[in-house]
Amino acid sequence: DAMVIQNPRYQVTQFGKPVTLSCSQTLNHNVMYWYQQKSSQAPKLLFHYYDKDFNNEADTPDNFQSRRPNTSFCFLDIRSPGLGDAAMYLCATSRGPGDTDTQYFGPGTRLTVL
Amino acid sequence: AQSVTQLGSHVSVSEGALVLLRCNYSSSVPPYLFWYVQYPNQGLQLLLKYTTGATLVKGINGFEAEFKKSETSFHLTKPSAHMSDAAEYFCAVSESDNYGQNFVFGPGTRLSVLP
Repeated sequence: DAMVIQNPRYQVTQFGKPVTLSCSQTLNHNVMYWYQQKSSQAPKLLFHYYDKDFNNEADTPDNFQSRRPNTSFCFLDIRSPGLGDAAMYLCATSRGPGDTDTQYFGPGTRLTVL
Repeated sequence: AQSVTQLGSHVSVSEGALVLLRCNYSSSVPPYLFWYVQYPNQGLQLLLKYTTGATLVKGINGFEAEFKKSETSFHLTKPSAHMSDAAEYFCAVSESDNYGQNFVFGPGTRLSVLP
């Protein structure tokens, strides 16, 4: 089945230790997204890519960076995780950037910062 | 700027009862509206979406929603709740730029289904 895959599902890191989360897709979609979702809150968009053209949201902290080396993969780098970065990180894809497109979400990576 | 409100952060219904989850939006342009469901420790799954055309939209798992422009609403309903419907539900309005689609999500409603 075509899908969005996130690895790992659970990630534990130490305060200030860089961490990378990965996402891959077999849907051949042009757009990929990274969201941060804290407990009992709605997902918050961090980045999105149309192909390799990249856009980060205005309020995405500088501590977060993203890479999309090819159509299938996208990475989220957290350079110096703080306790406030503990959250579920969701990757999503859509065929295009249109208003009516459906976003398909991966299962998420739950990040714990010790 | 567009925004979404969901009345009731937590809704409880009995199994077999009607499910009604409320969503209101504000938008200066014709909105494109979505309902997503999220089960514990899972990603979001599309239930249904309204783009154009018929205002009553049917989705998966027996859910449907009606777009009412005059009320700026897009409430989600299901005639008979099942235990497996217990989850978090998010309403979203879509706006896009050259890079992708920006969802403005509502705060979510947690649905509990009581036996």
